[in-house]
Amino acid sequence: EAQVTQNPRYLITVTGKKLTVTCSQNMNHEYMSWYRQDPGLGLRQIYYSMNVEVTDKGDVPEGYKVSRKEKRNFPLILESPSPNQTSLYFCASSPGQGVGKLFFGSGTQLSVL
Amino acid sequence: AQSVTQPDIHITVSEGASLELRCNYSYGATPYLFWYVQSPGQGLQLLLKYFSGDTLVQGIKGFEAEFKRSQSSFNLRKPSVHWSDAAEYFCYNNNDMRFGAGTRLTVKP
Repeated sequence: EAQVTQNPRYLITVTGKKLTVTCSQNMNHEYMSWYRQDPGLGLRQIYYSMNVEVTDKGDVPEGYKVSRKEKRNFPLILESPSPNQTSLYFCASSPGQGVGKLFFGSGTQLSVL
Repeated sequence: AQSVTQPDIHITVSEGASLELRCNYSYGATPYLFWYVQSPGQGLQLLLKYFSGDTLVQGIKGFEAEFKRSQSSFNLRKPSVHWSDAAEYFCYNNNDMRFGAGTRLTVKP
């Protein structure tokens, strides 16, 4: 089954404790992206990747890192989380940038205390 | 800069009534526009998309949307709303990968 797998589904952590949210797709998609969703602001793009070893900043990249060492995986790293990063995060993929629909993961609800 | 605007944050309609959710875009000579729906606690599901051709596009769950270049709009419509349509709806411009802020739909019995 074609899918984007995101883990964990829920995460509670404390300020400053490094964490990684994983994202994996099984569709051989070139394009992957991370969004955060906050009430009244919709989904805002954090980082995106057009292919292996090619990543770029979205609209709200501060405080986040990503890597794309393999085509299927696109982890989101918070080196030193802060409370303003409490949010709902979604990973998405598509065949190419601007090509086809986005396939979304189930989301990660992150709370930073 | 926001390339997709959804002017209505929250809309309430009665079950069985018609629905129109507004979306205006401002980026791309030939926009590639989508509508996604997010049910409570769920991820996003594609309703429909427009790239070219017929400006009236049909989607799943009885939704349709009409692309109007003269008005820079891509409004989502449904003739008769069901209680299960209560969700948040997002317009998306594939040209610059941006979502609108979303419109939350409440359906009254």
